[in-house]
Amino acid sequence: EADIYQTPRYLVIGTGKKITLECSQTMGHDKMYWYQQDPGMELHLIHYSYGVNSTEKGDLSSESTVSRIRTEHFPLTLESARPSHTSQYLCASSDSGWGNSPLHFGNGTRLTVT
Amino acid sequence: AQTVTQSQPEMSVQEAETVTLSCTYDTSESDYYLFWYKQPPSRQMILVIRQEAYKQQNATENRFSVNFQKAAKSFSLKISDSQLGDAAMYFCAYRGSYSGAGSYQLTFGKGTKLSVIP
Repeated sequence: EADIYQTPRYLVIGTGKKITLECSQTMGHDKMYWYQQDPGMELHLIHYSYGVNSTEKGDLSSESTVSRIRTEHFPLTLESARPSHTSQYLCASSDSGWGNSPLHFGNGTRLTVT
Repeated sequence: AQTVTQSQPEMSVQEAETVTLSCTYDTSESDYYLFWYKQPPSRQMILVIRQEAYKQQNATENRFSVNFQKAAKSFSLKISDSQLGDAAMYFCAYRGSYSGAGSYQLTFGKGTKLSVIP
């Protein structure tokens, strides 16, 4: 049972379109993350946030942008989608507890850009 | 930077048997946290088990247990009495303990795909 929700679950769009992937969590977690999962299933951190109005880029360079205006909401936007953006995008959150606090993941958005 | 290595891209196990997935990591820290996550096909990634490096006792969660060898920097996952529902990608992950900006990020391995044979 997920307390972190991603929409849409699947998305097929044409090149050049602007898209926003939604992520919301109901757990009151301060920390939220976006991972890109490549076809080989490897996970790459592309954005993270430690709280409202805090966003940072992750290890993998990405043309996407994020915002964190509300604690529960962490949307990811692509201004102009390209075929290279085709991937699965996973949103996650964690609380402000000790270092053994796990990440809670959403179901993911599988994006295909044609 | 820390790295996490899962040397087995794919594994298979007969139903009801035991399987061990390997994970090694590289770090200069003495205190850190280790995790195993499971990602079933087209389903949500979930936490399987976690281990604090300062604890000598290996973590267990029902049929899942770890063999944590701190000196060897090894963190293997053992699944006993394997079930069809255990078929998934399994990811090993590391988190350091220092209080810098990256302290809450996880570094993931590339994953091991586990198949369970009926």
